[in-house]
Amino acid sequence: AQSVTQPDIHITVSEGASLELRCNYSYGATPYLFWYVQSPGQGLQLLLKYFSGDTLVQGIKGFEAEFKRSQSSFNLRKPSVHWSDAAEYFCAVGAGVDGGSQGNLIFGKGTKLSVKP
Amino acid sequence: EPEVTQTPSHQVTQMGQEVILRCVPISNHLYFYWYRQILGQKVEFLVSFYNNEISEKSEIFDDQFSVERPDGSNFTLKIRSTKLEDSAMYFCASSRPGYGYTFGSGTRLTVV
Repeated sequence: AQSVTQPDIHITVSEGASLELRCNYSYGATPYLFWYVQSPGQGLQLLLKYFSGDTLVQGIKGFEAEFKRSQSSFNLRKPSVHWSDAAEYFCAVGAGVDGGSQGNLIFGKGTKLSVKP
Repeated sequence: EPEVTQTPSHQVTQMGQEVILRCVPISNHLYFYWYRQILGQKVEFLVSFYNNEISEKSEIFDDQFSVERPDGSNFTLKIRSTKLEDSAMYFCASSRPGYGYTFGSGTRLTVV
């Protein structure tokens, strides 16, 4: 069965420090992978997605993620965190075809990011 | 940039009442979804809808739930007789091949 694991429930980093949020997935075929960010009381905003091709994916707000098939991982990174990055981050895997736009998404439990001044 | 619009943003209802959550997906998208997020928990898939019928549903989506696309623009989720445990944030999403998924801002449903 498909699953997504985000092992870190809560991470605190200092502003300006680098960030890595971990995501591991379990899926039988080539996965379609996504990272979403959710600010309190808000919806889900897509940061980036991986469908195929280059395993290093660039997203919005200076985020990037690297797909590592051998480790079943899709970790999210940012070289320098800003206070406005404080939010909850969700990794998701999709079972879709045609560019990962069909079928449902399986979400991880999320990682809450706090940023210290 | 096109958005998925959900109304209302917050709804309070009494246990046992029917509620309808409304969504306007992106106009040229073909697939429509409802997800649920209970406070402090992960986002869970409820149902997907394509070509005017349900294409997939989860175990959560029991007989108390139904979806409808009553016209060319709206996509609704109905809960027939709400329970306390239905209190959650409900997200609508739409997608189109090659473009990924777009989520709405959600409707917070509180059942009292």
